[in-house]
Amino acid sequence: NAGVTQTPKFQVLKTGQSMTLQCAQDMNHEYMSWYRQDPGMGLRLIHYSVGAGITDQGEVPNGYNVSRSTTEDFPLRLLSAAPSQTSVYFCASSYSSGSNSPLHFGNGTRLTVT
Amino acid sequence: KQEVTQIPAALSVPEGENLVLNCSFTDSAIYNLQWFRQDPGKGLTSLLLIQSSQREQTSGRLNASLDKSSGRSTLYIAASQPGDSATYLCAVPPRGSSASKIIFGSGTRLSIRP
Repeated sequence: NAGVTQTPKFQVLKTGQSMTLQCAQDMNHEYMSWYRQDPGMGLRLIHYSVGAGITDQGEVPNGYNVSRSTTEDFPLRLLSAAPSQTSVYFCASSYSSGSNSPLHFGNGTRLTVT
Repeated sequence: KQEVTQIPAALSVPEGENLVLNCSFTDSAIYNLQWFRQDPGKGLTSLLLIQSSQREQTSGRLNASLDKSSGRSTLYIAASQPGDSATYLCAVPPRGSSASKIIFGSGTRLSIRP
């Protein structure tokens, strides 16, 4: 099983550019989420989804959009990149939210905005 | 609002020692508590998940305990090895409507000296 797959692994953007970070899982997990990890600030939740067609905001949603058209995919869109969005982004999934199933993480996307 | 704290931020011990990592949380209404390991440049790997009704979980040389009343969890590593060097994070999903908003601690960076 591939688990949680994130692409690309690295990306450099200029301020104002847009891009989509891809996340796919092959475990038929209902719950998917996006985190950003910054030095000294730990992992912060950006957006999450409890199933296809359902998304909600996390702790730091501004500047990011998500959609969940299929169970497998949960892309994260940056509409107009800013230097403050320089970070490492992780996608995670689990069988369902509010249950005792562990989170599975992708290997991350390292984004630099200049 | 749930807050998760891990102290110390970094720890260095000689190989072979038994050690304890600490995780504290402010709201005892949780579904479970998870411990993760993160190697440099990698995603997070789930180590142990303790359900709210459990007191501890064991996997090999790892033992995690949970005391909801005091808002604390510990991760015990027996007979530490250089390969255990990594950052260890704990995470809790709050009960109720916020169950999907899993909160992470900032982690403890562990270094095992040969």
